[in-house]
Amino acid sequence: QKEVEQDPGPLSVPEGAIVSLNCTYSNSAFQYFMWYRQYSRKGPELLMYTYSSGNKEDGRFTAQVDKSSKYISLFIRDSQPSDSATYLCAITGGFKTIFGAGTRLFVKA
Amino acid sequence: NAGVTQTPKFQVLKTGQSMTLQCAQDMNHNSMYWYRQDPGMGLRLIYYSASEGTTDKGEVPNGYNVSRLNKREFSLRLESAAPSQTSVYFCASSEIAGGHYEQYFGPGTRLTVT
Repeated sequence: QKEVEQDPGPLSVPEGAIVSLNCTYSNSAFQYFMWYRQYSRKGPELLMYTYSSGNKEDGRFTAQVDKSSKYISLFIRDSQPSDSATYLCAITGGFKTIFGAGTRLFVKA
Repeated sequence: NAGVTQTPKFQVLKTGQSMTLQCAQDMNHNSMYWYRQDPGMGLRLIYYSASEGTTDKGEVPNGYNVSRLNKREFSLRLESAAPSQTSVYFCASSEIAGGHYEQYFGPGTRLTVT
């Protein structure tokens, strides 16, 4: 079993839709939860991180963590074609970061 | 600032050949990392360097060696390339921020071993 499980998709939605991306993890020792966005043929870039259970909002993006069920979510409101990318969830503690395999998202104009 | 730079961008090797992937960062970060990314596998850590002068194995170190040349540069060497090492390689650097390490990635090196 992978330490971080993520549906690879692809997920295709129309412009303006609300997108929900999800991951589950197995190791409760990790304290920080991150979402990275990776455009085609580029390196990943940090989108958001959260420390505790609950929600964190940044513009159109909301990250949600439920430590009791070991569930991580990213919601994108009013999705745009420029949001088309692969989204990687990650759990981190110290130098060790475990990444999910990534979900490919396509937002159609 | 260029951030994290990697060379080369693309490389094709024959089985048994050797090569070194170069990485440099200009953000004055202490920690640097090498990952490989394969379809369906996500990013897997090969080696990391917590600070200048130290290196440690990650999840998939076999077949690789690293050198932390100075604070800016961290290289990855394949001594005898194998087809299983065909992958996209990413270098990253990080510094602790608010209790966690935010990693900044380079653009990647696409390596094919035939």
